[in-house]
Amino acid sequence: DAGITQSPRHKVTETGTPVTLRCHQTENHRYMYWYRQDPGHGLRLIHYSYGVKDTDKGEVSDGYSVSRSKTEDFLLTLESATSSQTSVYFCATRERERGETQYFGPGTRLLVL
Amino acid sequence: KNEVEQSPQNLTAQEGEFITINCSYSVGISALHWLQQHPGGGIVSLFMLSSGKKKHGRLIATINIQEKHSSLHITASHPRDSAVYICAAFSGGGADGLTFGKGTHLIIQP
Repeated sequence: DAGITQSPRHKVTETGTPVTLRCHQTENHRYMYWYRQDPGHGLRLIHYSYGVKDTDKGEVSDGYSVSRSKTEDFLLTLESATSSQTSVYFCATRERERGETQYFGPGTRLLVL
Repeated sequence: KNEVEQSPQNLTAQEGEFITINCSYSVGISALHWLQQHPGGGIVSLFMLSSGKKKHGRLIATINIQEKHSSLHITASHPRDSAVYICAAFSGGGADGLTFGKGTHLIIQP
């Protein structure tokens, strides 16, 4: 357990509204990730961060943006939520560079109506 | 881009049976992860391996780098082992994330 929390844990929103999900870690890990999990697809990488203010796109980044202003916080924003973004979102962290264990947050269930 | 395939997708077995879940990947990797996701949704890392074999309790993970294949074995399976088991490949360096298989849904019946 790397002390990863996600907020909110559940959210229902309407199409077209902006939504921000927060990931907070207490372990001072350098690398942070946002994944989404959908039936039939498994987990897919949305965005990742390799340091404060250093972020990059993953496999399914369209419609999402991220920010990391502090080591402990990684925010995921859905700029204008769509029904296709209904999913379970997981944050993960990793301490070092060479493929070491990733620690996952508890997930956020997002429903876009 | 690495493609990660798992089999079987679903597996139902009786308590006490020996369980094997397979994972294959298309591109050479630095490390292969096995993860467990319980019905409540939380994801826990079971193993990370880059060669050979690792054992933790009743769980054993093996990897064959040449064949690009890994297996997760559960000995003396128990209903509490019921979960989704996910393999994930780490093929890059630096900040790269994992590439996941779609998971194997395992049910162990008493």
